[in-house]
Amino acid sequence: NAGVTQTPKFQVLKTGQSMTLQCAQDMNHEYMSWYRQDPGMGLRLIHYSVGAGITDQGEVPNGYNVSRSTTEDFPLRLLSAAPSQTSVYFCASSYLDRFNSPLHFGNGTRLTVT
Amino acid sequence: GIQVEQSPPDLILQEGANSTLRCNFSDSVNNLQWFHQNPWGQLINLFYIPSGTKQNGRLSATTVATERYSLLYISSSQTTDSGVYFCAVEVGNRDDKIIFGKGTRLHILP
Repeated sequence: NAGVTQTPKFQVLKTGQSMTLQCAQDMNHEYMSWYRQDPGMGLRLIHYSVGAGITDQGEVPNGYNVSRSTTEDFPLRLLSAAPSQTSVYFCASSYLDRFNSPLHFGNGTRLTVT
Repeated sequence: GIQVEQSPPDLILQEGANSTLRCNFSDSVNNLQWFHQNPWGQLINLFYIPSGTKQNGRLSATTVATERYSLLYISSSQTTDSGVYFCAVEVGNRDDKIIFGKGTRLHILP
């Protein structure tokens, strides 16, 4: 199993450009989520999904869109990048079984918006 | 929304020392997890612990859900324990949000 795969690892954008951060998992996890990590702020939840066709907003959803057309993939879209979106982005997934469902993380995407 | 507070924010210890990291949360939760972020940025799940005590080698964790806190114990610290430790809670209204604290940065000196 590859686990949770994020691409790209690094990205530089100009203000106003759009891009999609990719996330794929091969563990048949129902739950998938996106976090951003900024210095001193911990990980803040952007959007999450509990299954194909279902998405919901987290703590900091503004400026980001998501969709979940398959169980495996959960892309994060920035429609018009802003310098405030410079951050490290992590995708995570888990089963929805509440008795033992640890969250598995990808290795992150470091995004810089100039 | 729920508040998740971790203490201390920073901790510097000599190799071999023991430490206790604390996570307080402001509302009932479905479960709680502890993670270690290594110096390369990778996030590794340490414990899935909605209540009670679990042990894994030199690490153990205790969650007292009724009092809304969890503790992570690290014994006989090694330099490889350095990094940031996060707790994360799934909020109690069953909408599956998992919210993180801001972390405790641990630095183990050789």
